[in-house]
Amino acid sequence: QVQLQESGPGLVKPSQTLSLTCTVSGGSITSDNYYWSWIRQPAGKGLEWIGRIYTSEIGRVYTSGNTNYNPSLKSRVTISVGTSKSQFSLKLNSVTAADTAVYYCARGSDAFDIWGHGTMVTVSS
Amino acid sequence: QSALTQPRSVSGSPGQSVTISCTGTSSDVGGYNYVSWYQQDPGKAPKLIIYDVIKRPSGVPDRFSGSKSGNTASLTISGLQAEDEADYYCCSYAGTYTLFGGGTKLTVL
Repeated sequence: QVQLQESGPGLVKPSQTLSLTCTVSGGSITSDNYYWSWIRQPAGKGLEWIGRIYTSEIGRVYTSGNTNYNPSLKSRVTISVGTSKSQFSLKLNSVTAADTAVYYCARGSDAFDIWGHGTMVTVSS
Repeated sequence: QSALTQPRSVSGSPGQSVTISCTGTSSDVGGYNYVSWYQQDPGKAPKLIIYDVIKRPSGVPDRFSGSKSGNTASLTISGLQAEDEADYYCCSYAGTYTLFGGGTKLTVL
């Protein structure tokens, strides 16, 4: 079955760029017409949707990059598909302590049926 | 955009029913039938328990049910069990983005 796994640095310095990758096993991000999302959760707080990406592949034609972002983060966020069609990534630039959170990748755009375990990212000098 | 509004906490005794509300606007909850609910245990990833307002994924007990009226969606848990104690989050499609509620802590007395 499809499984998701987040990876990336656990510590990022203020003003730098947070970069995470989500690896999809047991499936492909270009199949089955799914969106793929990033969601975060600061310690002791609620969930915050970061953004989503949609890709598709028909025959050998690969279409990537239909993205939507949280308006409050839009100026700092980029979600993209990796060269491997089993990965998608998150980049969040100009980070501050307020970006410290557990970051999850998930399948879906408004109903998230499969989640990664989450990865803790701390923003600190 | 603001987070959807949920009560901070609810409680109930085993066997009872509890309802958690999720209030948004006509631009999110009221505008689309794309409300989902998640159960989250401490230290774990959230688990989808309701989607498209009323649908249950395979394996979710029918004690969990969803509904919507206007700009407010609701999750009802009937026949409350000790294992239902967790945090619950609602979520709604809002066109070009997605919103979560602030979360509700359910305590089983």
